[in-house]
Amino acid sequence: GESVGLHLPTLSVQEGDNSIINCAYSNSASDYFIWYKQESGKGPQFIIDIRSNMDKRQGQRVTVLLNKTVKHLSLQIAATQPGDSAVYFCAETYAQGAQKLVFGQGTRLTINP
Amino acid sequence: GAVVSQHPSRVICKSGTSVKIECRSLDFQATTMFWYRQFPKQSLMLMATSNEGSKATYEQGVEKDKFLINHASLTLSTLTVTSAHPEDSSFYICGLTGQFYEQYFGPGTRLTVT
Repeated sequence: GESVGLHLPTLSVQEGDNSIINCAYSNSASDYFIWYKQESGKGPQFIIDIRSNMDKRQGQRVTVLLNKTVKHLSLQIAATQPGDSAVYFCAETYAQGAQKLVFGQGTRLTINP
Repeated sequence: GAVVSQHPSRVICKSGTSVKIECRSLDFQATTMFWYRQFPKQSLMLMATSNEGSKATYEQGVEKDKFLINHASLTLSTLTVTSAHPEDSSFYICGLTGQFYEQYFGPGTRLTVT
């Protein structure tokens, strides 16, 4: 669910490696999940989404996995590039419930050359 | 996805003054828009839901008389921070829902109150 903290979890990976960013969500009634990328000083950018009737969805270089049993979501980025450096947020919503998004705390991804 | 713009991108104002932030949907008619604030190194916190032609719905703890929201058309919502204080300094982001419940966000407005 919504999380407030002064220290973002960080993940450092080598350029070209794959990265996995994890997120635990709070509401078992949530049925729609989105991953966003936010670069410094900019608004969040939509990456990929998944509905609760799926457990995996693939996009270009990204894959989202959903485990409803343990309320866990992950974002896999293949062959990371310097441009992937950003803060990544997961967000959950109950599609029939006023469309309000609840954001996770975020993870800062740093790509090392 | 939807294209969302915000204006201004940065604003500095003095304590006690009011500041208006505009959020425009450039290619999508949005009956609902959302306003968030984000403090450094923190996540986005929903402030209110802006409904076209009706009153905004505020989240718990957000003062509706301090953060005035107007959603007069399907492409424009405004957030006015009234009687600004330094603690109102933050990054304000608007969002709108696309065709399938996904949300798209504006580039954000950095407000600094001196």
